[in-house]
Amino acid sequence: GIQVEQSPPDLILQEGANSTLRCNFSDSVNNLQWFHQNPWGQLINLFYIPSGTKQNGRLSATTVATERYSLLYISSSQTTDSGVYFCAVAIMDSNYQLIWGAGTKLIIKP
Amino acid sequence: NAGVTQTPKFRVLKTGQSMTLLCAQDMNHEYMYWYRQDPGMGLRLIHYSVGEGTTAKGEVPDGYNVSRLKKQNFLLGLESAAPSQTSVYFCASSYIAATYGYTFGSGTRLTVV
Repeated sequence: GIQVEQSPPDLILQEGANSTLRCNFSDSVNNLQWFHQNPWGQLINLFYIPSGTKQNGRLSATTVATERYSLLYISSSQTTDSGVYFCAVAIMDSNYQLIWGAGTKLIIKP
Repeated sequence: NAGVTQTPKFRVLKTGQSMTLLCAQDMNHEYMYWYRQDPGMGLRLIHYSVGEGTTAKGEVPDGYNVSRLKKQNFLLGLESAAPSQTSVYFCASSYIAATYGYTFGSGTRLTVV
């Protein structure tokens, strides 16, 4: 089945720093999403981005489907950005089943 | 508040006991999903539903059953709980299959002893 790999697994930054999180996937997908899980466990959908670039405030994401990767950029990090960031994809013949990466754990220190 | 509500939030079961987790959404979403999350891992899909009265197996369906008798509710049942089912369970819903608008409940932490 399709493999989803996220890097780095852990990232510790000072408040105000910028970061780039990467998601690689092993097969063609027609659906890619980024999620944030806060330290209390709540999961929030950040981006639906099967291709191209999107921006939402300090966060932006780019997916290059032909090269099978996606990047999540966080600028001017704040302590509230801490948590785990997940990438999830759906394969071409099953748009219902999101396959999730293991996540990148981000800690922003004040 | 609009969204996805899961009950209960915490539960401890003894091996062999049964229980039902309830998921309710008030966004009129067609698609609903049950996931489990184990430490250090991403979510894994247990079962999903593409509409009222329908259910389908996901990646890890063994030991679980589901029902969607009403559009707004999606029930996850454990008939005979095992320690391997200790996990955090998340319900989610979406308007269009697995696309934006994917909304999660706050999770149920289940421990089987």
